Amino acid sequence: AQSVTQLDSQVPVFEEAPVELRCNYSSSVSVYLFWYVQYPNQGLQLLLKYLSGSTLVKGINGFEAEFNKSQTSFHLRKPSVHISDTAEYFCAVRSGYSTLTFGKGTMLLVSP
Amino acid sequence: DVKVTQSSRYLVKRTGEKVFLECVQDMDHENMFWYRQDPGLGLRLIYFSYDVKMKEKGDIPEGYSVSREKKERFSLILESASTNQTSMYLCASSPGAGGFAFGNTIYFGEGSWLTVV
Repeated sequence: AQSVTQLDSQVPVFEEAPVELRCNYSSSVSVYLFWYVQYPNQGLQLLLKYLSGSTLVKGINGFEAEFNKSQTSFHLRKPSVHISDTAEYFCAVRSGYSTLTFGKGTMLLVSP
Repeated sequence: DVKVTQSSRYLVKRTGEKVFLECVQDMDHENMFWYRQDPGLGLRLIYFSYDVKMKEKGDIPEGYSVSREKKERFSLILESASTNQTSMYLCASSPGAGGFAFGNTIYFGEGSWLTVV
């Protein structure tokens, strides 16, 4: 079985500050990892994904994530956030023939 | 661009009504999904389909059924709506024949907010 834990339900941050949204997963087999973003009143949009290869993955809007197999983590980072980054962020994992399992989400609140 | 269109953004239905949520995708994707999103619970998979007329139960299928008569269309049916089915419903699709092409992106619609009174 696979599962995802997003350690923070809400992360408040000031504009232009760096941010890290934490994600840990559990799976007994190799995994594919994803970060999705949901802006208010919208569906989910893919930010980035890790399939294989380089453990540092770059995505859209200046976000990046690092796959750490020993820590079973896939934390999302951005060096300088904007007001427009205010949204809910979901980490997700897929392994083997399973469907995608989502975490419960982290609300990023960027204030001026 | 991939487009997943959910026909209704906001619905209000009465307890006991039969409710249809419709979803259409325009990218010839094999796989389609229905998720339910609730605050603090994230997204939970209700049903999915990897081919026309095929369906598989997800994590929370109770009280729901689905229909996929055409490749581009996937309908979620609430046979007898109840207040605990008040939620945001998200439809999604992804390419990949024979099930789940593991790394393929899942594309989401904008969601349907259902209130059951």
